[in-house]
Amino acid sequence: TQLLEQSPQFLSIQEGENLTVYCNSSSVFSSLQWYRQEPGEGPVLLVTVVTGGEVKKLKRLTFQFGDARKDSSLHITAAQTGDTGLYLCAGRYNQGGKLIFGQGTELSVKP
Amino acid sequence: DARVTQTPRHKVTEMGQEVTMRCQPILGHNTVFWYRQTMMQGLELLAYFRNRAPLDDSGMPKDRFSAEMPDATLATLKIQPSEPRDSAVYFCASGPDRVSGNTIYFGEGSWLTVV
Repeated sequence: TQLLEQSPQFLSIQEGENLTVYCNSSSVFSSLQWYRQEPGEGPVLLVTVVTGGEVKKLKRLTFQFGDARKDSSLHITAAQTGDTGLYLCAGRYNQGGKLIFGQGTELSVKP
Repeated sequence: DARVTQTPRHKVTEMGQEVTMRCQPILGHNTVFWYRQTMMQGLELLAYFRNRAPLDDSGMPKDRFSAEMPDATLATLKIQPSEPRDSAVYFCASGPDRVSGNTIYFGEGSWLTVV
């Protein structure tokens, strides 16, 4: 069974703090994506990474793809209340294959 | 502003009733996905289509669920008969058929409650 494990499952922090969310698998991904989902809405794509060791930045969000392409992390610097939401990683094990989602990390940023 | 459109947004039905959820993918997208989201299981892929042909429906309970694409502008997911354990949010997503780094766009979901 191909599984994507995210940690932590829940995270509650104060505004201004930094945080990191992890996404791990025992298998190699051909590509990995991070999504953010707000209540009552569908997930929205944040970033796609395809190369081992790749780092992408989106304002205060930094995404890293592991060298072996089995894991990824999302780091948020100086979190804001607007960052609150469910963060999902999703991976493909081969090009054109189906997208498998992790369980998600529920982030709550308090003022 | 192109978007995936799902109907109904909310549905409450009694156990045993038939439920049909509809999805209009973004015009020009030729891959369509059905996902189910619950607190316990997260987002699970039920089925996906490419050029209206079903490619994988291994995640879907075959005895009561069926997914079809009657035409390029409509995808349907049907549950018959529905059971309380089917209560979940059902998402449709569509995407263009590019080889790598495919972006898929989700609808707002159909919130199903079976009582």
